[in-house]
Amino acid sequence: AQSVTQLDSHVSVSEGTPVLLRCNYSSSYSPSLFWYVQHPNKGLQLLLKYTSAATLVKGINGFEAEFKKSETSFHLTKPSAHMSDAAEYFCVVSVGNTGKLIFGQGTTLQVKP
Amino acid sequence: DVKVTQSSRYLVKRTGEKVFLECVQDMDHENMFWYRQDPGLGLRLIYFSYDVKMKEKGDIPEGYSVSREKKERFSLILESASTNQTSMYLCASSSPGGRTLNEQFFGPGTRLTVL
Repeated sequence: AQSVTQLDSHVSVSEGTPVLLRCNYSSSYSPSLFWYVQHPNKGLQLLLKYTSAATLVKGINGFEAEFKKSETSFHLTKPSAHMSDAAEYFCVVSVGNTGKLIFGQGTTLQVKP
Repeated sequence: DVKVTQSSRYLVKRTGEKVFLECVQDMDHENMFWYRQDPGLGLRLIYFSYDVKMKEKGDIPEGYSVSREKKERFSLILESASTNQTSMYLCASSSPGGRTLNEQFFGPGTRLTVL
């Protein structure tokens, strides 16, 4: 069965410092993995996706994530946080080829000036 | 760009009312989904549909039903609204194959309050 666990419900960083949002997954298949972002009062937007090509995936707004099969992790990083990065972030795993997705509980990123 | 629209951003209903939430997508996607989003629980799948007239239960279908009479439209129905159905409801669509495999595109959400 597939599942995803976001290890932190809330992360707070200062502007200009690195961001690390942690995600572990469980999957019986070779998974597709995603990070979505949701800004306040906005819909979910795809940040990046891993679909068994390169293990280091680059997304929008300077974010990237690395797929590590041995650690079953897909952590999201950004070298330097910006105030506009404050949002909720969801790590997501696909359920085989059903088209269904399973969402983590979400991590709220706070960026302090 | 893919566009998924939902009929209302905010909705207030009374307990026992029948509630319709409408979702329309303009990218000819076969798959459509309804989720509810609650703090600390992420998104949970209510129902989904792979094609017109088809529907499948998700993880939390109790108290809900759906209708898909046209490919672009997927409706979520609360037969008799209850206060525990107060939540944010999100609609999504996706194509079953190609380079966007499994990627879902989301509407802005409907925040439903049941009094």
